[in-house]
Parts: sequence; structure tokens; C-alpha cells
Amino acid sequence: SQQGEEDPQALSIQEGENATMNCSYKTSINNLQWYRQNSGRGLVHLILIRSNEREKHSGRLRVTLDTSKKSSSLLITASRAADTASYFCATRNSGNTPLVFGKGTRLSVIA
Amino acid sequence: DAGVIQSPRHEVTEMGQEVTLRCKPISGHNSLFWYRQTMMRGLELLIYFNNNVPIDDSGMPEDRFSAKMPNASFSTLKIQPSEPRDSAVYFCASSSRQGTDTQYFGPGTRLTVL
Repeated sequence: SQQGEEDPQALSIQEGENATMNCSYKTSINNLQWYRQNSGRGLVHLILIRSNEREKHSGRLRVTLDTSKKSSSLLITASRAADTASYFCATRNSGNTPLVFGKGTRLSVIA
Repeated sequence: DAGVIQSPRHEVTEMGQEVTLRCKPISGHNSLFWYRQTMMRGLELLIYFNNNVPIDDSGMPEDRFSAKMPNASFSTLKIQPSEPRDSAVYFCASSSRQGTDTQYFGPGTRLTVL
């Protein structure tokens, strides 16, 4: 089954720097979503980008989608210690199937 | 809205015991999902329901696992008998098919089987 795979698996940056995480998937999608998970908590939806969109912004988040390369990136600008979490991409294909989550990127932002 | 509610938040039990995890989805949502998360396997979809009907249970690992959704506001995931390898965090999530399929996750139940 198709699956989003995040890269890198782990990322450590200094506060104030930008963090970029990538997601690759295998088959055609209807939309791609990014979620955040703080330690010990459930996943929280961050942003959704549809297959006909190329870029989307939400606050300090910027998501791009390249359907020809079957990849997406999540950029967090001016990172803060509170951004420390795991970030997951999830893909939804064109059929009536649920989201498929990747294994996540663990982001550590050091103050 | 209270969000997705799960109980208990933590469960410690001994091997062989029955474990029942509970979930109350967001009111008005008609899809419900059960996931299991471990360090080794990541987030795994176990089963999901649309309008209280199980649609795909291919992720349920063994016959020891069963899930029910008797009405739109309640679902259970049962493990009988439990084994140490079932130790994980179990999440319930719900979504509305009328809008985007964004999923809203509960806080999870951390299960430890000794």
C-alpha cells in the first residue's frame, strides 16, 4: 500500500533556524496532510494540501507539493523550542481509502 | 467541543487478561479509526468504521483483537487475551466525510501488558 515516508528521521536545530522535512509517496493522491505529535499526546492536524495545489502557508508553516516527483516538504520558519515534536505526513489517494501515515520526523529545537 | 475522548489513559495489566479500550468520537463525525503506535512499527491503522459499520479490519493483528461501534458516539477495542507484545499506545481518531478527511486524534491509551 502507498505510504508517505518522511526524511530525515530525526532533525536537531537551534532556535530561530528553519526546519525542513520531506515526505515521499508512491501513488497518485487526492490530498496530503501534515500532523504534529508532541510527546505523549495524540496527533494534531497542521495543514492540508490538495493534489492541484503547489504551495500553502499557515503562519510559520509552508508546505509544498510536487506531484510529478511524488513529494512534499514542510518548512517551519523561525523555529521555537515549542516546535519540538514528531511530524508526520499522511496521504489520501483518489479512492475511498483512509489516510496512510508515514513514520514521522523527530524534530528537536534547542533553545 | 470536547474533542475525541479516550479511556482509560493508562492501563497496566497482566498477560492473559482482557483489556477494553474506549473511545467517544467528536459529535457529528461519521468515521472512526483505531491506531496502534510503537517505536518499532510506528503508527498502524487497526480498523476503521464509517457510519458505525466496520469497513476495513485488515490491520487487526490477530483474532485476539476485536472492535465494535454500537452507536455513533461510542466504540471499543478489546484485546483478549492480552500479551506483552500488545504493549503500545492506542489512539482513536474521528473525521467527517462531509468536509475534508482531516482526522482528530484522542489523547491515546498507554497499554502495558506485564
